[in-house]
Amino acid sequence: GAGVSQSPSNKVTEKGKDVELRCDPISGHTALYWYRQSLGQGLEFLIYFQGNSAPDKSGLPSDRFSAERTGGSVSTLTIQRTQQEDSAVYLCASSLANGGMRADTQYFGPGTRLTVL
Amino acid sequence: RKEVEQDPGPFNVPEGATVAFNCTYSNSASQSFFWYRQDCRKEPKLLMSVYSSGNEDGRFTAQLNRASQYISLLIRDSKLSDSATYLCVVRNTGFQKLVFGTGTRLLVSP
Repeated sequence: GAGVSQSPSNKVTEKGKDVELRCDPISGHTALYWYRQSLGQGLEFLIYFQGNSAPDKSGLPSDRFSAERTGGSVSTLTIQRTQQEDSAVYLCASSLANGGMRADTQYFGPGTRLTVL
Repeated sequence: RKEVEQDPGPFNVPEGATVAFNCTYSNSASQSFFWYRQDCRKEPKLLMSVYSSGNEDGRFTAQLNRASQYISLLIRDSKLSDSATYLCVVRNTGFQKLVFGTGTRLLVSP
């Protein structure tokens, strides 16, 4: 079946502009996660959705970052007034999260490579 | 200090070799453990979960030592296609997010 999809695959923007990144999770997955991976850094957690609510936003680095999820499906990560240090690959993942062992597996999308000039 | 520590490598091994990666985690509340594989410019993919009793999947064997907070991955009979970065990952009690190590790079040569 279809995996996690993300768009755009690449985004180049100028410092100070806003960007929106989209994630379409695997159908039926109730949990959705955003991570980012900077050059030379490991993956860092940003935010977790269960359904449309976000019980864990602890990884958002500043108030310029926000995310929403509608209809328990698609999520959008918005970065306002982008800075050069925001340049990274933004990865979305989803999981069943229904409490079973296998439900814990997070499946990742291909990511959006963001470059802020 | 990072919550999950790995030797970044690279580990350069010939085809057919056995190679082992180690990982330590600092949070005693960690309850789930995984190895993910990431190819260059691709997304991470789950290689295997790691269970307390140790587990094997073909050429891959994972071990967990909760007392020492240590996880290992052993790859036997390395293939060229095993060349990738191997990410040690934990999930802590009460949280859904994954905590990643920075990864260990493996290069298998002919």
